[in-house]
Amino acid sequence: QVQLVQSGAEVKKPGASVKVSCKASGYTFIDQYIHWVRQAPGQGPEWIGWINPNSGVTNSAQKFQGRVTLSRDTFIRTAYMELTGLKSDDTAIYYCARDLLSTVVPSGIFGHWGQGTLITISS
Amino acid sequence: DIEMTQSPSSLSAFVGDRVTITCQASHGIRNSLSWYQQTPGKAPKLLISDASNLENGVPSRFSGSGSGTDFSFTISSLQPEDIATYYCQQYYDLPHPTFGGGTKVEIK
Repeated sequence: QVQLVQSGAEVKKPGASVKVSCKASGYTFIDQYIHWVRQAPGQGPEWIGWINPNSGVTNSAQKFQGRVTLSRDTFIRTAYMELTGLKSDDTAIYYCARDLLSTVVPSGIFGHWGQGTLITISS
Repeated sequence: DIEMTQSPSSLSAFVGDRVTITCQASHGIRNSLSWYQQTPGKAPKLLISDASNLENGVPSRFSGSGSGTDFSFTISSLQPEDIATYYCQQYYDLPHPTFGGGTKVEIK
């Protein structure tokens, strides 16, 4: 079965960086886009960006551009999200999610989700 | 970005009741809308895509409808295991998918 297993919770200081991993299994890793979505406490989810695991091409929401780097390692079937310049309002659960469809362009539908990684920003 | 407005933000109903949630898009999105269920401490789970297409394994008491700017999500007979927060999400405007604020469903 499809599984996305994320790295563990982290506490970071303001200004630091964090890198979250998302290891995929149960399907052909390069066939479907991986999205990153975050959810601040008590808020709705917010899309961060996507990566094409085959080509490595990425796209991210404007508010994160310049601060987020999406990457992948096809050999170990793992996607990564690195966020720099952390601020208190970056405190959230960060999820990876696989696009529902195996298409050249992403559908934008989040078919399978990782378990989430809590990132806490605190001085 | 397209803004998604859900209502109500929370509701309380009896087991067996019919529950309906609405979602309004700030611009037309055709039928590019999905619904997710999120229980406490868990990741969202996709229930419906393309406004009305039920995902495999999702109980038939869940349904969705709508097109353009106005959408609805219905639980025909509320069950205790349906206690969750439900989110709508548009994927018409890519790469700017956006979610609604959520509707928390509770049992009376």
